[in-house]
Amino acid sequence: EIVLTQSPATLSLSPGDRATLSCRASQSVTTYVAWYQQKPGQAPRLLIYDATDRATGIPARFSGSGSGTDFTLTISSLEPEDFAVYYCQQRSNWPPVSSFGPGTKVDLK
Amino acid sequence: QVQLVESGGGLVKPGGSLRLSCAASGFSFSDYYMGWIRQSPERGLEWVSCISYSGTNLYYADSVKGRFTISRDNAKNSLYLQMNSLRAEDTALYYCARDLRLGNYYFDYWGLGTLVTVSS
Repeated sequence: EIVLTQSPATLSLSPGDRATLSCRASQSVTTYVAWYQQKPGQAPRLLIYDATDRATGIPARFSGSGSGTDFTLTISSLEPEDFAVYYCQQRSNWPPVSSFGPGTKVDLK
Repeated sequence: QVQLVESGGGLVKPGGSLRLSCAASGFSFSDYYMGWIRQSPERGLEWVSCISYSGTNLYYADSVKGRFTISRDNAKNSLYLQMNSLRAEDTALYYCARDLRLGNYYFDYWGLGTLVTVSS
């Protein structure tokens, strides 16, 4: 079973700051990684898939990078609506299962 | 617009059963893999199960294998999750979600969820 760890657990920043969120897999997942944003009382929202591709309608300030075991979500300049919890997700080829990381909360400094 | 609406959650005793449903609209349901994901404060987000377009291929997390069964009815644009032998650790908000493409388990649309509570 592939385990995802995310760091830091909490990131305290101000609007306009750059946010760098990390996700590490216990073994290689090639580029089968997605990132989601979740706000209180809402379902998760897909931001990035295949490690680097932005989902439809996602602003360009969100970008993803990485391959193998280390992945990064970068928010280039935080907008007020970006304060939320961010989860990474992996999909393994065999067995064909998936898992999510524990999340990083981006909150207001 | 794409809509996913879950139903069927509730309070059930340990060892009991529950069947969740998800009504889909706004897209060609039979063209997409579909999945169930659950969320609880204790376990966070947890992928539960996925099903292929026609329902031929079924995939489960180890934590639910042998107890849960995913199915779909493309004529009714509906997804189901039959949950048997329920345990306290199955308590969670259960989301129905659409797979972005080809069964890669990237979920681009989610419902609002239905709450399952397993308690005596």
